[in-house]
Amino acid sequence: NAGVTQTPKFQVLKTGQSMTLQCAQDMNHNSMYWYRQDPGMGLRLIYYSASEGTTDKGEVPNGYNVSRLNKREFSLRLESAAPSQTSVYFCASSEAGPYYGYTFGSGTRLTVV
Amino acid sequence: DAKTTQPNSMESNEEEPVHLPCNHSTISGTDYIHWYRQLPSQGPEYVIHGLTSNVNNRMASLAIAEDRKSSTLILHRATLRDAAVYYCISTGAGSYQLTFGKGTKLSVIP
Repeated sequence: NAGVTQTPKFQVLKTGQSMTLQCAQDMNHNSMYWYRQDPGMGLRLIYYSASEGTTDKGEVPNGYNVSRLNKREFSLRLESAAPSQTSVYFCASSEAGPYYGYTFGSGTRLTVV
Repeated sequence: DAKTTQPNSMESNEEEPVHLPCNHSTISGTDYIHWYRQLPSQGPEYVIHGLTSNVNNRMASLAIAEDRKSSTLILHRATLRDAAVYYCISTGAGSYQLTFGKGTKLSVIP
């Protein structure tokens, strides 16, 4: 089982460039999430999608957009990258909310210079 | 969602039980307690969750105090692979937002 797959695993961007982080899950989960983790910190929720067709802001949504492309895929877009967005980004999915446990991907390490 | 408090770090000897504490004194009656762990350079991994009574699964046990203001994650026999940051999270039943704090860094000594 692949679980949650994130691409790319590493990326370096210049300030002002845009990019999309991809996330796909093969567990038929309804809910998907994007988190960021800065050094020495816990994870902070950026956006989530409770079900296909819905998206909602989390704790730190500024500078990001998301698209729930279908039930399997949930992408995160940085329109104009800033050094403050240097972080490790994790995608997660769950059957429906936290009650069923989240499955996380292995992360995308993004550096903005 | 209730704020949780955990020690920054703990140590355990290999093959001994480990008790990881968590305080959540402002928890409400419908808030669940979740535990995740994060191994180095990996995404977090679900460990266990519960509401009122103690819970067991293949990875760990969760002991919840009668007043629900604290809980303890129990690893019955620590292995080197259990060295990780352990996060205790409290969230409402209908909430989709798991808020991760800094967690407890568990070191396992061979």
